[in-house]
Amino acid sequence: DIQMTQSPSSLSASVRDRVTITCRASQTISSYLNWYQQRPGKAPKLLIYAASSLQSGVPSRFSGSRSGTEFTLTITSLQPEDFATYYCQQSYTTPWTFGQGTKVEIK
Amino acid sequence: EVQLVESGGGLVQPDRSLRLSCVASGFTFHDYAMHWVRQAPGKGLEWVSGISWNSGNIGYADSLKGRFTISRDNAKNTLYLQMDSLRAEDTAFYYCAKENFKSGTTGLDSWGQGTLVTVSS
Repeated sequence: DIQMTQSPSSLSASVRDRVTITCRASQTISSYLNWYQQRPGKAPKLLIYAASSLQSGVPSRFSGSRSGTEFTLTITSLQPEDFATYYCQQSYTTPWTFGQGTKVEIK
Repeated sequence: EVQLVESGGGLVQPDRSLRLSCVASGFTFHDYAMHWVRQAPGKGLEWVSGISWNSGNIGYADSLKGRFTISRDNAKNTLYLQMDSLRAEDTAFYYCAKENFKSGTTGLDSWGQGTLVTVSS
């Protein structure tokens, strides 16, 4: 199975901060990498698909990038509603696999 | 508006079976691949299984070891997950989710509210 390793596992940040979350795949997955946001008690929400494409309706402060097998989710100017847990997920091959999650907390 | 409504969860004893259902509306169900994703309480997301639009391609997480079976009935706009030989470690919220686009694997853009399966004696 392809292993997805996210870092950090948690971070503390303030409103209007720039936040970066990294996800590394254990082998090539091309750009088949997706990012989700999950708020407590809610279902996940798709933010970015195919490494860098912004899902419809998602604010433009969210962006994704790829460098080889390393992927990055960036949130510019963190907003109060962005405090949540973020997951990466590869859809290159089954079994699909998720990263372990990054919890973004209020500093 | 896309809606996915799961049902069938509950408390079940170890080694027993349970069948989850997910009724879809608001989109052309037979055009999209569908998936099940689970989340143990307080833990991360785990992909369980996926099925293509015509049931021609099916995949499962290795950890299931053949105990779960995914299926769909396009005439009823319904996705199923048959879970056999349940174990305590299968305790989780089970989400039904729709693929983002008809072609390609570009993530899961719509999710149900989840149904809780608790395996305990």
